[in-house]
Amino acid sequence: DQQVKQNSPSLSVQEGRISILNCDYTNSMFDYFLWYKKYPAEGPTFLISISSIKDKNEDGRFTVFLNKSAKHLSLHIVPSQPGDSAVYFCAARSTSGTYKYIFGTGTRLKVLA
Amino acid sequence: NAGVTQTPKFRVLKTGQSMTLLCAQDMNHEYMYWYRQDPGMGLRLIHYSVGEGTTAKGEVPDGYNVSRLKKQNFLLGLESAAPSQTSVYFCASSYSGVQTQYFGPGTRLLVL
Repeated sequence: DQQVKQNSPSLSVQEGRISILNCDYTNSMFDYFLWYKKYPAEGPTFLISISSIKDKNEDGRFTVFLNKSAKHLSLHIVPSQPGDSAVYFCAARSTSGTYKYIFGTGTRLKVLA
Repeated sequence: NAGVTQTPKFRVLKTGQSMTLLCAQDMNHEYMYWYRQDPGMGLRLIHYSVGEGTTAKGEVPDGYNVSRLKKQNFLLGLESAAPSQTSVYFCASSYSGVQTQYFGPGTRLLVL
């Protein structure tokens, strides 16, 4: 049972336009969400996070939105740059029991120059 | 400051062979994790440790063992490798369970 889902395996966007990556979750106990970015042959690197007490967090070109009622979060990248081409994973943490992160399956973003 | 390092980067094993993957971190982190990444499956937690001398099972622990004898090192062992263990293995560490995890570059393992 996939508790964190990224239903779009890939996304292509023109340089300068907005990229929107989506993530859905099923566990209402999740209280903290993160986005990681992964380049080929490298480990994932932390990008941005959001706590369940907020509905938006912004860091430069990256903004994460959280809709708790819909159990949905999204990552917006504006403007998109070719260097943003990577695989993006969303991850969620539950405070019930242990502090483990559940990762989605990833979305491959390609920004076209 | 190397962050999280993994050894080896790539390995080919025959079915039934054993091996140990080494993860080292120099950030004085308490928590360490082993994940595997397979196509279409995302990152799945194998085992984790909340401090020196402790280990705990993650989502997919079968076929793997771990040890955390020193705070900076987290070892992942395969006693009898199987083709189903062909994957990319990532180690990560964090200061606490609520902090961001920092990942190593990965170990690509092929079991024939």
